[in-house]
Amino acid sequence: QVQLQESGPGLVKPSQTLSLTCTVSGGSINSGGYYWSWIRQHPGKGLEWIGYIYYSGSTSYNPSLKSRVTISVDTSKNQMSLKLSSVTAADTAVYYCARDLGSGYYYTFFFWGQGTLVTVSS
Amino acid sequence: EIVMTQSPATLSVSPGERATLSCRASQSVSSNLAWYQQKPGQAPRLLIYGASTRATGIPARFSGSGSGTEFTLTISSLQSEDFAVYYCQQYNNWPPTFGGGTKVEIK
Repeated sequence: QVQLQESGPGLVKPSQTLSLTCTVSGGSINSGGYYWSWIRQHPGKGLEWIGYIYYSGSTSYNPSLKSRVTISVDTSKNQMSLKLSSVTAADTAVYYCARDLGSGYYYTFFFWGQGTLVTVSS
Repeated sequence: EIVMTQSPATLSVSPGERATLSCRASQSVSSNLAWYQQKPGQAPRLLIYGASTRATGIPARFSGSGSGTEFTLTISSLQSEDFAVYYCQQYNNWPPTFGGGTKVEIK
């Protein structure tokens, strides 16, 4: 059973860079065939896909965030990371990492982390 | 970007009754639609993909239907553990987008 766990600071100051890590267990990012996404949920609101990465390093980002987002992968640690620059209060959200269903369903999210709340405030 | 609209925002249902949730896309998404269930403090759980295919481990009381722009999630007989928020999501067009959710509450 694949498990994902997000980690990182719960409080980030405005204009700074939000940095989160997702550690994967029970499966290898390096095995290929799956896409690893970041998704966020503003408090009391719906879900927003941020972007994905493939084990090869290939990425795709939501155009609404593309100028500020970087997703990277460290296959040796079985981790992926999210960096979101120039944050504002509007970036306050629960951030989830997720893995797709496989078999080409890049944007259907089957395994999820528990989520981590990041608050942007001075 | 495709806008997904869910209705109603809140649905009050008694245990054992049938619940019908709707999702509308601003343009056709073919059958490339998924449904998720989210309980308080938890991550979403994939219920349905391909508009009507149940994900692994999802009980048969959950069913999905529709194509194009109109979709329905039906819970045939609500159990206590089904009271939650349900989201639809399209993955036909990039970027993938989610609806605003329907909260299913106990009547």
